[in-house]
Amino acid sequence: GQQVMQIPQYQHVQEGEDFTTYCNSSTTLSNIQWYKQRPGGHPVFLIQLVKSGEVKKQKRLTFQFGEAKKNSSLHITATQTTDVGTYFCAGQGAQKLVFGQGTRLTINP
Amino acid sequence: ETGVTQTPRHLVMGMTNKKSLKCEQHLGHNAMYWYKQSAKKPLELMFVYSLEERVENNSVPSRFSPECPNSSHLFLHLHTLQPEDSALYLCASSHSTSGIYEQYFGPGTRLTVT
Repeated sequence: GQQVMQIPQYQHVQEGEDFTTYCNSSTTLSNIQWYKQRPGGHPVFLIQLVKSGEVKKQKRLTFQFGEAKKNSSLHITATQTTDVGTYFCAGQGAQKLVFGQGTRLTINP
Repeated sequence: ETGVTQTPRHLVMGMTNKKSLKCEQHLGHNAMYWYKQSAKKPLELMFVYSLEERVENNSVPSRFSPECPNSSHLFLHLHTLQPEDSALYLCASSHSTSGIYEQYFGPGTRLTVT
C-alpha cells in the first residue's frame, strides 16, 4: 500500500539556524500537503503543492515538490521559537491522503 | 478556530465504561474523519465518512464504533477499551474525501483509559 516516510523524526536546533524536513512516498503523488501541529495543539494546514517541481514560499518557509512527484521538503530559514512544533506531510496517492510520521522541531532560544 | 469542535476535551474512563466522543463541523464539509494520535503512531486514520456513509475503516477494533447521523456531526462510541487505547483522538473534516482538499482538525479529545 501507499506509504509516506518523513525524516528526521526529531530535530533540535539553535534559534536562528535553518531546518529542513523531508517527505518520501513509495508511489507517485497527485499532490502533497503540509501541516503544522504546535505543542498541545492540533494539525493546521499550511500549504498544498500540485505541480511537478513546484516551489512555494510562505515568509521564511519554503516548500518543494520533487520532479517525479514522489518527494517533498519543507525548509525553514532562520528558525524562531514560534516555529516549534511537529510538521507533517500528507501525500495524495491513487486512493487517499496518507500522512507521514511527522518531524518534531524543538528550538533552543 | 471554531470550524471543528470536539467534546469532551479530556476524558478518563475505566475499561468497563461506555462513553462517546462528539465532533461537529461548521464548515459545510461533506467528509469527516477520526484519527488516533499517540507517541507510537503520530496520525493514524481510523474512519472516513463521506456524505454520512462510511467509506473507510482501517482495521479498527470493534470496541470503537463510529456514527455519522448527518454531514455536520460525527461520533465515536467507546466500550471496553484497553489502556493502550489512551491517546489523543482527533476529528477532521474536508470538502470531500478527495485529497486535493485540505483537512480541518478539531482540538481533539485526550482520552485516558485506566
